[in-house]
Amino acid sequence: AQSVTQLDSQVPVFEEAPVELRCNYSSSVSVYLFWYVQYPNQGLQLLLKYLSGSTLVKGINGFEAEFNKSQTSFHLRKPSVHISDTAEYFCAVSKGGGSYIPTFGRGTSLIVHP
Amino acid sequence: DAGVIQSPRHEVTEMGQEVTLRCKPISGHDYLFWYRQTMMRGLELLIYFNNNVPIDDSGMPEDRFSAKMPNASFSTLKIQPSEPRDSAVYFCASSFGYLHYGYTFGSGTRLTVV
Repeated sequence: AQSVTQLDSQVPVFEEAPVELRCNYSSSVSVYLFWYVQYPNQGLQLLLKYLSGSTLVKGINGFEAEFNKSQTSFHLRKPSVHISDTAEYFCAVSKGGGSYIPTFGRGTSLIVHP
Repeated sequence: DAGVIQSPRHEVTEMGQEVTLRCKPISGHDYLFWYRQTMMRGLELLIYFNNNVPIDDSGMPEDRFSAKMPNASFSTLKIQPSEPRDSAVYFCASSFGYLHYGYTFGSGTRLTVV
């Protein structure tokens, strides 16, 4: 089974600063990768996903992530964060090439300060 | 579509009581998942269904937990008897076709067992 490591449990940042949330996964021949966002008192919402093709994936709300196969990473970035980006962010990975249940990481809490 | 609908949003019950959580998936979705989220264990997959049939219930923690999906538009997760350690947020999610399309999560049920 795949495993996912989100290296930071909490990332504090000031408004309008750039941010990177880190995600590493266990190696496999091919993988599908996802980032979900969970706002307070809400369910998880799909932010973006990598299935194949370009290693740079753009998602909603100005977020993007880069798939790096050699480093088995899928870090999430945003060049300028807003207060409204304060939320929990989850990385998930599934085995590629078919319909497999994804494994979720423990989450990273992004806290944006004014 | 109104999204994945869960009820109730909050449930407070006494230890030993039966608790039933409800979920209405998005119309047309053929996968349904039940997750539990706690600070200690993160997001755990409890059980999932495909076309109303339970596929994998290996995540169900104990025999006190049971889940049903009598039709494509309704599922229940039951805990009988409930214990304080069952306190968590329970999410229902649904998906259409291939799982790498991503999930749509409900807003969750926050269960407190006192």
